[in-house]
Amino acid sequence: RKEVEQDPGPFNVPEGATVAFNCTYSNSASQSFFWYRQDCRKEPKLLMSVYSSGNEDGRFTAQLNRASQYISLLIRDSKLSDSATYLCVVNRNYGQNFVFGPGTRLSVLP
Amino acid sequence: EPEVTQTPSHQVTQMGQEVILRCVPISNHLYFYWYRQILGQKVEFLVSFYNNEISEKSEIFDDQFSVERPDGSNFTLKIRSTKLEDSAMYFCASSEPGPSNQPQHFGDGTRLSIL
Repeated sequence: RKEVEQDPGPFNVPEGATVAFNCTYSNSASQSFFWYRQDCRKEPKLLMSVYSSGNEDGRFTAQLNRASQYISLLIRDSKLSDSATYLCVVNRNYGQNFVFGPGTRLSVLP
Repeated sequence: EPEVTQTPSHQVTQMGQEVILRCVPISNHLYFYWYRQILGQKVEFLVSFYNNEISEKSEIFDDQFSVERPDGSNFTLKIRSTKLEDSAMYFCASSEPGPSNQPQHFGDGTRLSIL
């Protein structure tokens, strides 16, 4: 089983749609979880950290289920500018070694 | 907003040559990292660095790789005797103290092309 797995995508949605991405991780000792976005041939940019109680930042909501080792990202009212690859990132054990998922590509269409 | 900066943006090198990639982390950050991303593949961890020493490294980070913080601001990745398969985008990142729950901030990368 891969350490971090994500929906394979791509997701093509119209502007204004709600879209959800799923991520699972295999290491039960993982402590820190993040969503990053990556535009084509650019660096990963932090979208949001994911907290145990779930957290929201504007149109973005992240959820963590430690028992199922599952993370989700919900984007409401999609904008054209949301088009990117969304990366689920998990730290390995208690260390600094971030493990990136393969990413899920989102295209928001006019 | 403070940024991680990387130079050069693109490096073309002959196979077998040495290459040094440079990074200036965010000034108050204490943890530094290198990642690579082969075209079309996922981002892969190479090494983390804290207090002037390597704290973690991956199986990719073999003897041909080394890192250094030669002064108070730069953080470098050296690849000795480059191979064709070293062609990739290399990202430097840094984070504040409390590494396991601090997000990492990435530079815009150096594209390394080995000929």
